[in-house]
Amino acid sequence: RKEVEQDPGPFNVPEGATVAFNCTYSNSASQSFFWYRQDCRKEPKLLMSVYSSGNEDGRFTAQLNRASQYISLLIRDSKLSDSATYLCVVNRHNAGNMLTFGGGTRLMVKP
Amino acid sequence: NAGVTQTPKFQVLKTGQSMTLQCAQDMNHNSMYWYRQDPGMGLRLIYYSASEGTTDKGEVPNGYNVSRLNKREFSLRLESAAPSQTSVYFCASSEFGVVYGYTFGSGTRLTVV
Repeated sequence: RKEVEQDPGPFNVPEGATVAFNCTYSNSASQSFFWYRQDCRKEPKLLMSVYSSGNEDGRFTAQLNRASQYISLLIRDSKLSDSATYLCVVNRHNAGNMLTFGGGTRLMVKP
Repeated sequence: NAGVTQTPKFQVLKTGQSMTLQCAQDMNHNSMYWYRQDPGMGLRLIYYSASEGTTDKGEVPNGYNVSRLNKREFSLRLESAAPSQTSVYFCASSEFGVVYGYTFGSGTRLTVV
């Protein structure tokens, strides 16, 4: 089983739609969680950290469910510029400064 | 504020040639990493350096060597390039403990023919 698993997609949605991605992780001791965004042929960039209580940044909402070991990202009012690959990222327990990256979920927002 | 700078951005090598990918960060981060990204494979860790003076192997170290030259610089060397090393290489850095995640460089696109 992969340490971090994501549906690769693609998710094709119209502008203005709400879309949600889920990610599962295998190490129950993981403590740090992030969503990264990667545009085609570019480097991954931090979108947001994920906190235990859930957190929101504009149109983006991240949730963490420790009991079920999954993380979600909700994007409201999708824009064309949201088209990208979204990477779920989790730290490795007992390797404090190491992150494990999921394979990414590709989002395509259509006019 | 440049963040993480990688050079070169593009490179074509012939099989058997050697080269060094350079990476420098100006954020005073302790930890630095080298990843490769291939279609359908996601990001795979090649080597990392938790702090100045230390380096360790990641998932796919074979065919590579690294040098943590100082706190700012972390280089990746291919001694004898092979077509299987055709990939996009990303350098990243972080504070120890990754509370704020990694910051990536813009990548090096390497083709080995």
